[in-house]
Amino acid sequence: KQEVTQIPAALSVPEGENLVLNCSFTDSAIYNLQWFRQDPGKGLTSLLLIQSSQREQTSGRLNASLDKSSGRSTLYIAASQPGDSATYLCAVPGGGADGLTFGKGTHLIIQP
Amino acid sequence: NAGVTQTPKFRILKIGQSMTLQCTQDMNHNYMYWYRQDPGMGLKLIYYSVGAGITDKGEVPNGYNVSRSTTEDFPLRLELAAPSQTSVYFCASSPVVGRFNTEAFFGQGTRLTVV
Repeated sequence: KQEVTQIPAALSVPEGENLVLNCSFTDSAIYNLQWFRQDPGKGLTSLLLIQSSQREQTSGRLNASLDKSSGRSTLYIAASQPGDSATYLCAVPGGGADGLTFGKGTHLIIQP
Repeated sequence: NAGVTQTPKFRILKIGQSMTLQCTQDMNHNYMYWYRQDPGMGLKLIYYSVGAGITDKGEVPNGYNVSRSTTEDFPLRLELAAPSQTSVYFCASSPVVGRFNTEAFFGQGTRLTVV
């Protein structure tokens, strides 16, 4: 059974810092990995989807990398801003049509 | 284009009552999912559907039922609500899964409290 772990569980940093969020998964036979953002009381917003054939995917100040062989992905946030404060979730497909397996998320606070 | 729409946003149920959580998507996606999110526990898959008329159980299906009569709608039914079903429920859809998987789209969630 696929398991997804996210480290750290919580992170609080001053505005302007570059930071890295980590995601690891136990079964490396994945087609892709997806990073989501969740604001308090809100739904999930997709940030980046990395296909298994890719090593990196970038969107603005966000950069996600994927190393299937080691079962790891990182989300790099450059020049963090208070508006980046949210919970960040990573998820991988369970295989076939049976949905996504999620990590528990990293709760990020960017201090102004 | 509204995406995935869930109703209601909030609901309080008494133990033993039943209700239906509604989910509609207007993107013509074949695959639809229901997840629940408990504090500190991540999202767990309840049920999923690969197309109209086809549904299957996820990781935590007990106490729930689903139907998929159209491509657009995927309602989740709670029978005999229990306090353990207090959670936030998310509906999601995806056009393709597997090798050519594309991103999943989520609704805004339904916050359910059973008292």
